[in-house]
Amino acid sequence: NAGVTQTPKFQVLKTGQSMTLQCAQDMNHEYMSWYRQDPGMGLRLIHYSVGAGITDQGEVPNGYNVSRSTTEDFPLRLLSAAPSQTSVYFCASSYSWVSGSSGYTFGSGTRLTVV
Amino acid sequence: DAKTTQPPSMDCAEGRAANLPCNHSTISGNEYVYWYRQIHSQGPQYIIHGLKNNETNEMASLIITEDRKSSTLILPHATLRDTAVYYCIAFNSGGSNYKLTFGKGTLLTVNP
Repeated sequence: NAGVTQTPKFQVLKTGQSMTLQCAQDMNHEYMSWYRQDPGMGLRLIHYSVGAGITDQGEVPNGYNVSRSTTEDFPLRLLSAAPSQTSVYFCASSYSWVSGSSGYTFGSGTRLTVV
Repeated sequence: DAKTTQPPSMDCAEGRAANLPCNHSTISGNEYVYWYRQIHSQGPQYIIHGLKNNETNEMASLIITEDRKSSTLILPHATLRDTAVYYCIAFNSGGSNYKLTFGKGTLLTVNP
C-alpha cells in the first residue's frame, strides 16, 4: 500500500514547455485533487475529480489541464509552462468527498521550477 | 466554508501538551472541523476531525466548544517531530462544494 505517489519529485522546465505531473493512488479513493503551494502561502486548489471521468476546476485552474480515465490516476498537465507556475504541487485523495469522511491523503509533492 | 482564525505561531516545550486554538465563529451546523499539519517540505497530513463531540485518536484530541465557535487541537506529549504548520479547516462538502481550503495555519515550534 503505497498511498499517494507523485512523480517526478523535482522538475525544471523552460518557459513554453509542456509536461505532465503524475499522481497515482492505490487506496481505491474516489476523490482526487491537485493543489499548488507557493512560498509563505497556503495551498490553493487547482483541479479536482470526484470519480473516474469527472473533473472540475478549483481556485486557480488557468494553465492546467486534468483528466481522470481511471480511479487510480489523476495527471496534471501544464500546457505551456510559465515562471508563475514555479511552485510545489501536491496531489491528494480521499475515499469520499462527503462531509465527515476521513481526511485527505497527500502525496509528497513535485517541486517545479520554470525558467 | 466558514473562515477560521489561528495564531500565526506558538511554542511548546518537548514533553508538554501543545494546545492549538482555532476560532470559527461563523461555522454552520453541517460543517466539520478538520485539522491537518504540514511538516517542512512535506505534504499535509490529516490529523483529526469532528462535528460537535470531542474526538481522540492516536495522534491528538480535538475539543470543540458547545457553541461550536472555537476548537482546540491537543497534542498530549509534544515531541520535536511535531514541529509543523497546523491548519484548522471548517469544511462541508454538501451540494457541489468539494473544495478543502487551507489558510496560513499556526507554526508550532517544539523546543527541547
